[in-house]
Amino acid sequence: QVQLVQSGAEVKKPGASVKVSCKASRYTFTINYMHWVRQAPGQGLEWMGLINPNTGNTKYAQKFQGRVTMTTDTSTSTFYMDLSSLRYEDTAVYYCARGADASDIWGLGTVVSVSP
Amino acid sequence: QSALTQPASVSGSPGQSITISCTGTSSDVGGYNYVSWYQQEPGKAPKLMISEVSIRPSGVSHRFSGSKSGNTASLTISGLQAEDEADYYCCSYTSSNTYVFGTGTKVTVL
Repeated sequence: QVQLVQSGAEVKKPGASVKVSCKASRYTFTINYMHWVRQAPGQGLEWMGLINPNTGNTKYAQKFQGRVTMTTDTSTSTFYMDLSSLRYEDTAVYYCARGADASDIWGLGTVVSVSP
Repeated sequence: QSALTQPASVSGSPGQSITISCTGTSSDVGGYNYVSWYQQEPGKAPKLMISEVSIRPSGVSHRFSGSKSGNTASLTISGLQAEDEADYYCCSYTSSNTYVFGTGTKVTVL
């Protein structure tokens, strides 16, 4: 079945960067936008941005402008989300989610922990 | 962009109907028919329950329905069952070409 396979958990120090991957399988990679959503411990969902895999065009939430970069590798059907200048409050589960105005397929999430 | 406003919790007895509200502005919920709803069980990824205000994806129970009036969207669960106990989030497209989630609602089946 259609699935999104995300990379494993990461532990980073404040100020570092993290790159999370999301490999799409069993569907045409370029058909659907990909959203990135995060969820801090005990908190709600937060939309970070999206990428159009056809054009590479991105749209980011204002909160993450300048710190986040979303890219794709069409040769491997993989999406990437790079978050820089990490702070303690970036500790969260990061999800990729397929779709345009609604996301029907989600990855299982990647835990990113920021600690000294 | 501020999060859309949802009640923190809603509860009901088995068999009852409950409604979760999602209030935004004319720049998001009120301006577009791109409101979706997600169910999230503890430790799991969200699951799409409703797209485009009221469209139910294949495989989602008919007990779930969505609607919108003005700047407020609603998710109704009829015939409440124990398995419906979860967190629910709304999400809307915005005039800034971005998306915003609601604050989330915990549904408890009494």
